[in-house]
Amino acid sequence: GDSVTQMEGPVTLSEEAFLTINCTYTATGYPSLFWYVQYPGEGLQLLLKATKADDKGSNKGFEATYRKETTSFHLEKGSVQVSDSAVYFCALSDLEGGSYIPTFGRGTSLIVHP
Amino acid sequence: NAGVTQTPKFRVLKTGQSMTLLCAQDMNHEYMYWYRQDPGMGLRLIHYSVGEGTTAKGEVPDGYNVSRLKKQNFLLGLESAAPSQTSVYFCASTPGLFYGYTFGSGTRLTVV
Repeated sequence: GDSVTQMEGPVTLSEEAFLTINCTYTATGYPSLFWYVQYPGEGLQLLLKATKADDKGSNKGFEATYRKETTSFHLEKGSVQVSDSAVYFCALSDLEGGSYIPTFGRGTSLIVHP
Repeated sequence: NAGVTQTPKFRVLKTGQSMTLLCAQDMNHEYMYWYRQDPGMGLRLIHYSVGEGTTAKGEVPDGYNVSRLKKQNFLLGLESAAPSQTSVYFCASTPGLFYGYTFGSGTRLTVV
């Protein structure tokens, strides 16, 4: 079946540092890939997505590129802020796998210090 | 545009009591999902629906029932609450699998 693997957290950074959160996946078909962000006490929010190989999703300074050859979708940001502290989830949807169920990673907590 | 609205936001139940969590979306989405989120466990799918009148079991369906009589509403029921059902419950919806999901703000349930 499909699966998503994210790096273990928490990731702790100082403000203005470079962020990378790794995400790799396995899928039966050709999935769409997503990053979601969850701020404390809130639901998940769609951060960015990519639907085909080499697509780059971007939003709020975050970027991720769909790498089919390495089955990866790593999240990056050039300069993090304290307000980016949250839990980040990588996810995929794979219709060709015959399932209507999205697959989520376990989440990676990001803590940014001033 | 309200998006996905969950009610109630907080609830405390005694063991053995029943309750219904309501999820309402105003985006005409076909697919709706109920998840629970527990510390260290990520999101776990309870039940889902691929259209009005349909429901299906997810990863952890035991102790829960659902109904989708109207396209915009997806109800999650606990017939006899147990302390193991203490969790934060999230509803999500999407018009299709490649669009991404809209989540509600969650219901924090405590069973004592």
